[in-house]
Amino acid sequence: EAGVAQSPRYKIIEKRQSVAFWCNPISGHATLYWYQQILGQGPKLLIQFQNNGVVDDSQLPKDRFSAERLKGVDSTLKIQPAKLEDSAVYLCASSSGLTDTQYFGPGTRLTVL
Amino acid sequence: GNSVTQMEGPVTLSEEAFLTINCTYTATGYPSLFWYVQYPGEGLQLLLKATKADDKGSNKGFEATYRKETTSFHLEKGSVQVSDSAVYFCALTINTGGGNKLTFGTGTQLKVEL
Repeated sequence: EAGVAQSPRYKIIEKRQSVAFWCNPISGHATLYWYQQILGQGPKLLIQFQNNGVVDDSQLPKDRFSAERLKGVDSTLKIQPAKLEDSAVYLCASSSGLTDTQYFGPGTRLTVL
Repeated sequence: GNSVTQMEGPVTLSEEAFLTINCTYTATGYPSLFWYVQYPGEGLQLLLKATKADDKGSNKGFEATYRKETTSFHLEKGSVQVSDSAVYFCALTINTGGGNKLTFGTGTQLKVEL
């Protein structure tokens, strides 16, 4: 069974630029999560989708971050404009349901200069 | 709110030594508890979990027991190997019906030397 796929694996941009990350969850998984992991910290949830609806986006900085999951499968997370403090690893995870184990992708490491 | 506290690293051990990584939690309600491991250059992998008090999760020689009375979920392994070198994250989740986000600790780096 293929795992959670993410791209790109690495991205370097300058502040005020825009960036987008892509995630393809495990086939059949209805629930998709985006986490932000700042160096030296544990991951923090940004947004959670159930199919193509948002379940929890309470910690998403909505003035600059946006995410969508239009067809209930793939998802895109966008940052516009980026700030220095957005430098982090962005992790995508999926689970088959709201109460099931979450499986993580390899992450995208973002560096904002 | 919910939170997880785990011992700071790095923890450096010799091969075949006994490992304990402490984890305590604060939660409203009845959480499920997890240990995730992150090997260098890889994503987070679920190591083990426990969903109710007194449950013991185990995998690959690691184990942890859900202790409600001490709000703890300490990770143990009787004999570590060099290949166990990684960052270990303790985490909890509570299903509130509105989502089941994982709340993580800050991670503990384990280094195992020959």
